Amino acid sequence: TQLLEQSPQFLSIQEGENLTVYCNSSSVFSSLQWYRQEPGEGPVLLVTVVTGGEVKKLKRLTFQFGDARKDSSLHITAAQPGDTGLYLCAVLGGGSNYKLTFGKGTLLTVNP
Amino acid sequence: KAGVTQTPRYLIKTRGQQVTLSCSPISGHRSVSWYQQTPGQGLQFLFEYFSETQRNKGNFPGRFSGRQFSNSRSEMNVSTLELGDSALYLCASSLVTPWGATGELFFGEGSRLTVL
Repeated sequence: TQLLEQSPQFLSIQEGENLTVYCNSSSVFSSLQWYRQEPGEGPVLLVTVVTGGEVKKLKRLTFQFGDARKDSSLHITAAQPGDTGLYLCAVLGGGSNYKLTFGKGTLLTVNP
Repeated sequence: KAGVTQTPRYLIKTRGQQVTLSCSPISGHRSVSWYQQTPGQGLQFLFEYFSETQRNKGNFPGRFSGRQFSNSRSEMNVSTLELGDSALYLCASSLVTPWGATGELFFGEGSRLTVL
């Protein structure tokens, strides 16, 4: 069983559209991270959320941590082709502060 | 400041061979982690090193091994390669403060291994 379930797995939209991707779990986490991985690159950290109900904004990206700290969402407003990439959520776990467990990601394609 | 550097970027091996991948972390980062990324399984944790000691290991067979040098550079080795080892191998470094890890990983661009 996957610790983090991300949905949808694939998403293809037109430039200017809005979208939301989800990261869900039955476990409670002290914090959750979102990464974006562009083709041919390694993942890059976008945000860390730590408080239940927390909302963080990064330009057109809005991240929310669920009240119960079991899930998170990422909303993109007016998507642009530069937003294309694999969006990954991740949590510290396995009894260690040095190991990240990732979801399988949402592969987003924004068409011009 | 220079990012995480991984070499080689691409390599092709045949079954049964072995491979060594190298990772140079960001200057000042003493924690180095390795992840395997495949389309089917996503990103999976291999191991993490700090001050030349392996602190954590993922659920991979003993064919996968690693080490870290005194300058924090790290290598990972895969012996007796199998077709299923074809993947992107990502190295990440992290700043560990006296009060613990910051939890932020900085990834390299990865080494793409193809096993034929």
